[in-house]
Amino acid sequence: EAGVTQFPSHSVIEKGQTVTLRCDPISGHDNLYWYRRVMGKEIKFLLHFVKESKQDESGMPNNRFLAERTGGTYSTLKVQPAELEDSGVYFCASSQVLGAITEAFFGQGTRLTVV
Amino acid sequence: AQSVTQLDSQVPVFEEAPVELRCNYSSSVSVYLFWYVQYPNQGLQLLLKYLSGSTLVESINGFEAEFNKSQTSFHLRKPSVHISDTAEYFCAVLSNSGYALNFGKGTSLLVTP
Repeated sequence: EAGVTQFPSHSVIEKGQTVTLRCDPISGHDNLYWYRRVMGKEIKFLLHFVKESKQDESGMPNNRFLAERTGGTYSTLKVQPAELEDSGVYFCASSQVLGAITEAFFGQGTRLTVV
Repeated sequence: AQSVTQLDSQVPVFEEAPVELRCNYSSSVSVYLFWYVQYPNQGLQLLLKYLSGSTLVESINGFEAEFNKSQTSFHLRKPSVHISDTAEYFCAVLSNSGYALNFGKGTSLLVTP
């Protein structure tokens, strides 16, 4: 069974450009999460989907970030326009049952560099 | 709010030596604690977790962690490390949301011959 897959693995863009990150969760996992790690800091929760609905986007840094989950399958996270402080590693995770207790499976992350 | 602090950013250790990666938590209610590991070029993998019951939890590859309520700690230990244990280790606590994790800054474990 395939794990959580993220595309691309690396992205280097210029300040002001737009970037879209994609996450394909494990098939059948209704819950999808986005996290971000800025260099040298903690991995921070960004938002949570249940199927196609956003349940919690309290961690989204500002309105330059837009997350969608079409049809409750894959998810995209768009940053527009990108700023230097958006650089970091963006992780996606999915779980079958609500709650981290049951284990969320993480992807390998997308390393975003804004120059 | 639930939070964790990892006291060491890097821990170098020789192969076959014991290691302890420290994690302290801050919580005023019931706490659920986790250790995740990220090997080079891979995603985060759950290593072990404490939910309730026995305060000593173990992973399949020889790591163990002990939940210590009086010291608010959840340190990760291994009696003898291998080169393949080289990775970044993250301590995490379940947030008040009941589904999001609050992570520490991570500890890079470097095992050398």
